Amino acid sequence: AQSVAQPEDQVNVAEGNPLTVKCTYSVSGNPYLFWYVQYPNRGLQFLLKYITGDNLVKGSYGFEAEFNKSQTSFHLKKPSALVSDSALYFCAVRDSVGDYKLSFGAGTTVTVRA
Amino acid sequence: SQTIHQWPATLVQPVGSPLSLECTVEGTSNPNLYWYRQAAGRGLQLLFYSVGIGQISSEVPQNLSASRPQDRQFILSSKKLLLSDSGFYLCATEGQGSGYTFGSGTRLTVV
Repeated sequence: AQSVAQPEDQVNVAEGNPLTVKCTYSVSGNPYLFWYVQYPNRGLQFLLKYITGDNLVKGSYGFEAEFNKSQTSFHLKKPSALVSDSALYFCAVRDSVGDYKLSFGAGTTVTVRA
Repeated sequence: SQTIHQWPATLVQPVGSPLSLECTVEGTSNPNLYWYRQAAGRGLQLLFYSVGIGQISSEVPQNLSASRPQDRQFILSSKKLLLSDSGFYLCATEGQGSGYTFGSGTRLTVV
């Protein structure tokens, strides 16, 4: 079985400050990990993924995430947050073996204040 | 690249009325397709997935059904809507690199 946990319902930061959104996962095999962002009344947009290779993954809009196998974590980061980064963020995982269904976390609402 | 089309974008339906939401995919063949529901702007609940024409798997028992009459068409239906069917419905397919590509969603309000 596979699962994802996003321990924070909400993250609030000031514009220009670093942003971190936490994610931990559980899989039987090797993880494929993803981050998505959702703006109000819109579909989810892909930000970045980790499949294999470098533990630090760079994605869209200046976001990056670090894969930590020992801590089973895949935290999303941005060095300097913008007001326009305010949105709902989802972490997702699928196992490298088995079917292609993704498991999503419950989501973290990010609010960046000016 | 893959594109998913969903319609309508918003829908207000009375309790007991039927429902049909359509999702079509471009840019790929024989895709795996998924229907998700998002309640109250939070987590995603997988409702149905399909690996081919006529092949539907249901993840949760409920008032809804799904069909896949063509390779790139996925339909979500109900014979009689309940208030609890309100939500944001998202269609998805597998994108490049084993992630998903999502449609823009349908906001359903049952009144």
